[in-house]
Amino acid sequence: DAKTTQPNSMESNEEEPVHLPCNHSTISGTDYIHWYRQLPSQGPEYVIHGLTSNVNNRMASLAIAEDRKSSTLILHRATLRDAAVYYCIPEEGAQKLVFGQGTRLTINP
Amino acid sequence: EAGVTQFPSHSVIEKGQTVTLRCDPISGHDNLYWYRRVMGKEIKFLLHFVKESKQDESGMPNNRFLAERTGGTYSTLKVQPAELEDSGVYFCASSQGGTVQETQYFGPGTRLLVL
Repeated sequence: DAKTTQPNSMESNEEEPVHLPCNHSTISGTDYIHWYRQLPSQGPEYVIHGLTSNVNNRMASLAIAEDRKSSTLILHRATLRDAAVYYCIPEEGAQKLVFGQGTRLTINP
Repeated sequence: EAGVTQFPSHSVIEKGQTVTLRCDPISGHDNLYWYRRVMGKEIKFLLHFVKESKQDESGMPNNRFLAERTGGTYSTLKVQPAELEDSGVYFCASSQGGTVQETQYFGPGTRLLVL
């Protein structure tokens, strides 16, 4: 399995931007990087994914390093509802998702 | 559109008993996945169905676990006999296509406690 490194926890304030980093130094050149999150007492939910270029959607932005060994999930204006565990998941050529420990994000009102 | 549903939401059974978990994927999704998180560990893949066929069952822990998807619609995951270490949350997910770029939509999970 590809090795990912994420901070165990991060904290931010409501309505401020949040940058969640992930190192995935063993990712191959054709593997996408996926981000999912798990809200309390719910199943994981998709956030965003990308390959090389930076990606934006209504939930977040994904900034991918030029060497693809790291990426950063950006929540532009965090809300209390964004408090969750965020998982960075490099695709590994298989159809399954391989979850790591993730980053537990706390949002302060 | 209804999301992925799982039943029951919670189950408490004694060691040695049998439990069957059910997952109803999003209508039209051919791909169905089972994952689980046992206490204190990461979410782990169990298996993947494409329609009624098992595409990948590499994550199934042992032969006490049996997954079926007759007719390619809903799926069941039976644990027989249940052991203490089977306690955890069992998630089901579905996707339209079978590539990992396809978004997987997860259900709320079934919380299983084996006493």
